[in-house]
Amino acid sequence: KAGVTQTPRYLIKTRGQQVTLSCSPISGHRSVSWYQQTPGQGLQFLFEYFSETQRNKGNFPGRFSGRQFSNSRSEMNVSTLELGDSALYLCASKGTDSYEQYFGPGTRLTVT
Amino acid sequence: KQEVTQIPAALSVPEGENLVLNCSFTDSAIYNLQWFRQDPGKGLTSLLLIQSSQREQTSGRLNASLDKSSGRSTLYIAASQPGDSATYLCALEGWDAGNMLTFGGGTRLMVKP
Repeated sequence: KAGVTQTPRYLIKTRGQQVTLSCSPISGHRSVSWYQQTPGQGLQFLFEYFSETQRNKGNFPGRFSGRQFSNSRSEMNVSTLELGDSALYLCASKGTDSYEQYFGPGTRLTVT
Repeated sequence: KQEVTQIPAALSVPEGENLVLNCSFTDSAIYNLQWFRQDPGKGLTSLLLIQSSQREQTSGRLNASLDKSSGRSTLYIAASQPGDSATYLCALEGWDAGNMLTFGGGTRLMVKP
């Protein structure tokens, strides 16, 4: 079974721009969660989608949004980028028959 | 609000040593606890998962234990090797948190040849 894939792997954007990141979960997994990892704050939960519905949301501003498609692929969007949005963005997928969450390799976003 | 702490933040040991990484949490109402490994700039690799009803799990040289009453979990690594060098993270899933994981800050482990 293929693992969780994330595209692109690296991204450089300018402050004020917007960005869209993509995550493809393990085949058959319907839950996709997104996390932001920074040296200062560690790993923080952004949101979770299950069957195209947002089930849970972390404490991030409205500039961070996401969606999930019928094939379980998920995208997250960050509008009006700030320097502090520079981070590794990780997504995780989980199946209904398992307790484990599986993470992708991440997208490294740099905002200049 | 669940808070997860990992001590020490960094650890350096000679190859061959047995070592213990610690994870403490404030809310014992957890659904499960998962230990991950992260290599620099990479994603997370799941090592072990302990369900709420379990006390420990083992995989090869790794053993993880869970004591909800004291709010602690430990990851035991036997006969450490240089390839074990990485950051180790513990993460908790609460009963009312859906699939949301709350992470500790991690322990950065270096195993010297």
